[in-house]
Amino acid sequence: GAVVSQHPSRVICKSGTSVKIECRSLDFQATTMFWYRQFPKKSLMLMATSNEGSKATYEQGVEKDKFLINHASLTLSTLTVTSAHPEDSSFYICSARGLAGMVEQFFGPGTRLTVL
Amino acid sequence: GQQLNQSPQSMFIQEGEDVSMNCTSSSIFNTWLWYKQDPGEGPVLLIALYKAGELTSNGRLTAQFGITRKDSFLNISASIPSDVGIYFCAGSNTGNQFYFGTGTSLTVIP
Repeated sequence: GAVVSQHPSRVICKSGTSVKIECRSLDFQATTMFWYRQFPKKSLMLMATSNEGSKATYEQGVEKDKFLINHASLTLSTLTVTSAHPEDSSFYICSARGLAGMVEQFFGPGTRLTVL
Repeated sequence: GQQLNQSPQSMFIQEGEDVSMNCTSSSIFNTWLWYKQDPGEGPVLLIALYKAGELTSNGRLTAQFGITRKDSFLNISASIPSDVGIYFCAGSNTGNQFYFGTGTSLTVIP
């Protein structure tokens, strides 16, 4: 139980293009999903928290117009990196939290984004 | 956001040895989670702790919620090669947002 998937697992794009990453909870309904960014050999940095049907809450320093988050259903959240630049290259990981007072977060396998 | 300090930063141990690592925060938390991350993958939840002083085991892993609520500890007994990875603690005082530790990289030498 508590399986979270991400798609794609790897993406390479040209500078200036937009990239969409999907996060799905496969066997539970996720009221809240989180998006993290991780640099090599570093910890996970929370970018934003998204609740189904409402606007995402962004952490300080994260540009909401650049990192668009949509949580349209209880099993799907998307992160779109708009007008990507090489400095956006990173490992993006989502996590999901279920209903009824669950606090544990279950992570997806991550998406490696490389912007050329 | 907040960041939790983990110690040690890295460990190189012989297979069969026990491992201890800890995580400290300047803030009080009411939930601690411990995760293991393999290279290129997402973290996997190992143990969750919900109250001060709690001691919880998962196989060869044992974690404790510190009495001060500002720290947590993870022990691995009789380490095996597949224990290799990076271990992260995560703390929360709301149950909503978790702050992650700096990570402890574990290498097990066969």
